[in-house]
Amino acid sequence: SQQGEEDPQALSIQEGENATMNCSYKTSINNLQWYRQNSGRGLVHLILIRSNEREKHSGRLRVTLDTSKKSSSLLITASRAADTASYFCATDVAGTYKYIFGTGTRLKVLA
Amino acid sequence: DAGVIQSPRHEVTEMGQEVTLRCKPISGHDYLFWYRQTMMRGLELLIYFNNNVPIDDSGMPEDRFSAKMPNASFSTLKIQPSEPRDSAVYFCASGGDYSNQPQHFGDGTRLSIL
Repeated sequence: SQQGEEDPQALSIQEGENATMNCSYKTSINNLQWYRQNSGRGLVHLILIRSNEREKHSGRLRVTLDTSKKSSSLLITASRAADTASYFCATDVAGTYKYIFGTGTRLKVLA
Repeated sequence: DAGVIQSPRHEVTEMGQEVTLRCKPISGHDYLFWYRQTMMRGLELLIYFNNNVPIDDSGMPEDRFSAKMPNASFSTLKIQPSEPRDSAVYFCASGGDYSNQPQHFGDGTRLSIL
């Protein structure tokens, strides 16, 4: 079964609003990554957070990690139409270089 | 940096035909991954290589699928014979030498088996 599952499956917001996406996973991890996928394109890496980190920022992105709840969230502040994409979390499989990708959140930012 | 290059971008063929997907990873990356993406099953890891050696092929759906990496700059994913249920977008990704390195994805091959 998939390691990570995102919530919500789809999200529609107005430009300028904040968007929050959540990811839950099942087993212990070393790292969690977030990726973005624009329609018809490959995934693009956004940010990585290690299991000993609780929060990380990159520009308008803020990622939190709660290992006790096995969950992570991605916050995009002041969203733009160009943020319209699908967002995936990916968790590593301990002892390997494999990452298991979640089901994704489809974000639509309305101008 | 040209990024990960996949070819072809689109492939339409009839069932029973052999399909070969190609990937050129980013120079210097030691890891190469093949994924399949469908609406029903999401993004699935099929196989990954380290230094041209297959490490884990547990995601390969069946014997009709095979992957090779003859050198550090080229990999193929072959389906023979192809079936309609193989229709999907196939991605190749490459990554650096540590598990905490990001994976760099190509733009995929959209495969349709009629």
